[in-house]
Amino acid sequence: DADVTQTPRNRITKTGKRIMLECSQTKGHDRMYWYRQDPGLGLRLIYYSFDVKDINKGEISDGYSVSRQAQAKFSLSLESAIPNQTALYFCATSDPEGGGQDTQYFGPGTRLTVL
Amino acid sequence: AQTVTQSQPEMSVQEAETVTLSCTYDTSESDYYLFWYKQPPSRQMILVIRQEAYKQQNATENRFSVNFQKAAKSFSLKISDSQLGDAAMYFCAYRSPNTGNQFYFGTGTSLTVIP
Repeated sequence: DADVTQTPRNRITKTGKRIMLECSQTKGHDRMYWYRQDPGLGLRLIYYSFDVKDINKGEISDGYSVSRQAQAKFSLSLESAIPNQTALYFCATSDPEGGGQDTQYFGPGTRLTVL
Repeated sequence: AQTVTQSQPEMSVQEAETVTLSCTYDTSESDYYLFWYKQPPSRQMILVIRQEAYKQQNATENRFSVNFQKAAKSFSLKISDSQLGDAAMYFCAYRSPNTGNQFYFGTGTSLTVIP
């Protein structure tokens, strides 16, 4: 079974709709992240959380919100989706104490299309 | 924010040959970590190799090795004996211990392996 899972894997929605992307992990890591990937731009950080009570904005947080429901769950919401939020979204986890230099482990990604 | 630059949007290599992917970064920090991630068509982000800046010895993982030049702020990836399964997008990433351990990604290099 995958250590980091994302649901849904693919989603098509309409402008103005609220949408939530979910991420769950079984790695036991405290740190979780949301990125978006656009062609030619690489991955950009949206939000990150170092524990259940810690939420931080990343490089491109406008238009997004997050919720850390538990150590294992980190959700990303688009309150009112717009077409330029069409992208591939990745969740990642990391463990700074695990001897892996806080290496990030990624979920399989969610492809979101906003019409 | 730190900047990571991958100047080669596309590269190709003959099967069994060697290819080097380039990455440069801009930072004023002395202690940091560098990573190469691979993204095959399945779009899963897979860790290839990582390097601690305080280590002079270049990291090696089987057919993958890096050439880390700290003074030049260069971190290239060498793939030896290229295989068809190496075809993917490769991302260079920088982790800053001083900005919340955020990761900064390059824009990626698409590698094609020619049979």
